[in-house]
Amino acid sequence: GAVVSQHPSWVICKSGTSVKIECRSLDFQATTMFWYRQFPKQSLMLMATSNEGSKATYEQGVEKDKFLINHASLTLSTLTVTSAHPEDSSFYICSARGASGSLGTDTQYFGPGTRLTVL
Amino acid sequence: AQSVTQLDSQVPVFEEAPVELRCNYSSSVSVYLFWYVQYPNQGLQLLLKYLSGSTLVKGINGFEAEFNKSQTSFHLRKPSVHISDTAEYFCAVSHSGNTPLVFGKGTRLSVIA
Repeated sequence: GAVVSQHPSWVICKSGTSVKIECRSLDFQATTMFWYRQFPKQSLMLMATSNEGSKATYEQGVEKDKFLINHASLTLSTLTVTSAHPEDSSFYICSARGASGSLGTDTQYFGPGTRLTVL
Repeated sequence: AQSVTQLDSQVPVFEEAPVELRCNYSSSVSVYLFWYVQYPNQGLQLLLKYLSGSTLVKGINGFEAEFNKSQTSFHLRKPSVHISDTAEYFCAVSHSGNTPLVFGKGTRLSVIA
């Protein structure tokens, strides 16, 4: 149990286009999902916290109009990078926290990540 | 505010030798502590976690960690490493299940044959 998927696993796009990344909890319901960004050889930096049915909470310095987050259901959150530029190239990782039950609500389970390259 | 310090950015170790990856945290409230492993171009996999109770926590792949409140540490250990343990290891802290994780900068474990 506790499997989180991300799609796509990698994407290359032209500067100025928008890219949508999906994060799904496959075998549990996730009331809260988190989006992280990771630069090469660095740690994960939290971008935003996404709660099902409400607006995401963004960390300081993260542009909410550029990184649109939608958490429309208990198993799906999406991150859309709008008008992407080369500096947005990074590894984006989501995590999901269980709603209840055997998984508990105290642990985050991570997706495999999406590598975005903006040319 | 919480913070996590991983004292070693890189740890090389010979195969079948023991290893300890160090993690210290700071927090004004009680914490949950986690160790995650990341293989190249992959997401994070949970190794183990401390929420409460016994301070010695056993995880997957033969890893264990000990919570030391007085020293605010949560060091990760394995008595005998394998080549397949080569990866990046992250220590993380949160003060509840609702709050985001705060990660350390990671320790690159390289196991040498």
